[in-house]
Amino acid sequence: KAGVTQTPRYLIKTRGQQVTLSCSPISGHRSVSWYQQTPGQGLQFLFEYFSETQRNKGNFPGRFSGRQFSNSRSEMNVSTLELGDSALYLCASSITGGGSQPQHFGDGTRLSIL
Amino acid sequence: DQQVKQNSPSLSVQEGRISILNCDYTNSMFDYFLWYKKYPAEGPTFLISISSIKDKNEDGRFTVFLNKSAKHLSLHIVPSQPGDSAVYFCAAGPLMNYGGSQGNLIFGKGTKLSVKP
Repeated sequence: KAGVTQTPRYLIKTRGQQVTLSCSPISGHRSVSWYQQTPGQGLQFLFEYFSETQRNKGNFPGRFSGRQFSNSRSEMNVSTLELGDSALYLCASSITGGGSQPQHFGDGTRLSIL
Repeated sequence: DQQVKQNSPSLSVQEGRISILNCDYTNSMFDYFLWYKKYPAEGPTFLISISSIKDKNEDGRFTVFLNKSAKHLSLHIVPSQPGDSAVYFCAAGPLMNYGGSQGNLIFGKGTKLSVKP
């Protein structure tokens, strides 16, 4: 069974640009969550999508947005990039996002802002 | 305010001995707890979980203990192997109902475990 797939693995952008990251969940998983990992801050929750609807949101500015498609694939967009957005962005999927289900992570997209 | 704390950034253990990783939480609403292992350049891998109705859960060499009154959980790895060397994250969240999310997982900052041969 294929795991969670994130593309691209690495990305270099400059300040002010925007970026779109992609996540394909495990087949049959309908909940997709996004996390940001930075040194010293651990994993911080960005948002969760289920059935194409944002169901939960973390404490990040509006420059961070996402969406989910009917096949459960999800994209995350960051606009007007800042140096502090340099991080590893992780996507995780679970069957429905409820009821004691562990989330399964992809290997992440490493975003570097110059 | 950190709701999930892993106070030891690193731990070094001899191969064959027990590794004990600790985690404290502050939110009484948390009732689902997980441990993840992360190797460099890879995403976190789910290891083991426990819900608040239990105080212990075992899976092979891995055992998680939960002390709700102390808001503390720990992961025991016995015996430790060099391949266990990784960063371990503790995560917590409320049990969510099907059809509706009541929250998300909150992660600690991780403990780097080194198992020496």
